[in-house]
Amino acid sequence: EPEVTQTPSHQVTQMGQEVILRCVPISNHLYFYWYRQILGQKVEFLVSFYNNEISEKSEIFDDQFSVERPDGSNFTLKIRSTKLEDSAMYFCASSEDPPPGPQYFGPGTRLLVL
Amino acid sequence: DAKTTQPPSMDCAEGRAANLPCNHSTISGNEYVYWYRQIHSQGPQYIIHGLKNNETNEMASLIITEDRKSSTLILPHATLRDTAVYYCIVYSGNTGKLIFGQGTTLQVKP
Repeated sequence: EPEVTQTPSHQVTQMGQEVILRCVPISNHLYFYWYRQILGQKVEFLVSFYNNEISEKSEIFDDQFSVERPDGSNFTLKIRSTKLEDSAMYFCASSEDPPPGPQYFGPGTRLLVL
Repeated sequence: DAKTTQPPSMDCAEGRAANLPCNHSTISGNEYVYWYRQIHSQGPQYIIHGLKNNETNEMASLIITEDRKSSTLILPHATLRDTAVYYCIVYSGNTGKLIFGQGTTLQVKP
């Protein structure tokens, strides 16, 4: 069964460094999302992306964040200058259908900012 | 914020049906009821969704009351691997944003 994959599974970085989290959505899906979950807290929406542009973003998704679909298979989340509070699990999701079609999540990348 | 109310925790005996309730009294006509679950810190897993009618798939059944103000997710024969946090989410086509609450922690016991 097709799955969303994410790399790396774990990333440790120094505060102020740039990180890029990578996702390969399910192949025929056209709608892409990023969420994050700080340890012990709720899963939070960051951004949705369709047709090579952001559809919606949350207050968390500030100028330090960007998303890109650099080719036909990858979907990336970049954090330009990481902060301690960016430490979290980051989940990518994709959907074949527009909202409210089901979103399928990847296993996540655990980001630790020191 | 999440527009659903779920009990924080429930227990279920292995092999029995697990019935997870959810209240969504302010649901709008174009909002679907979605259920996801999260095992440990893995990515949320889609289970099932519905608008008005009851739905069933290979994982679960979803029973939505006629007034749509509440629903129940049924895992017909719970196993230890069903131990997880279960999220009930109301979701419309107006936004691609899934809003997760605290969910119900289901503990399946031998």
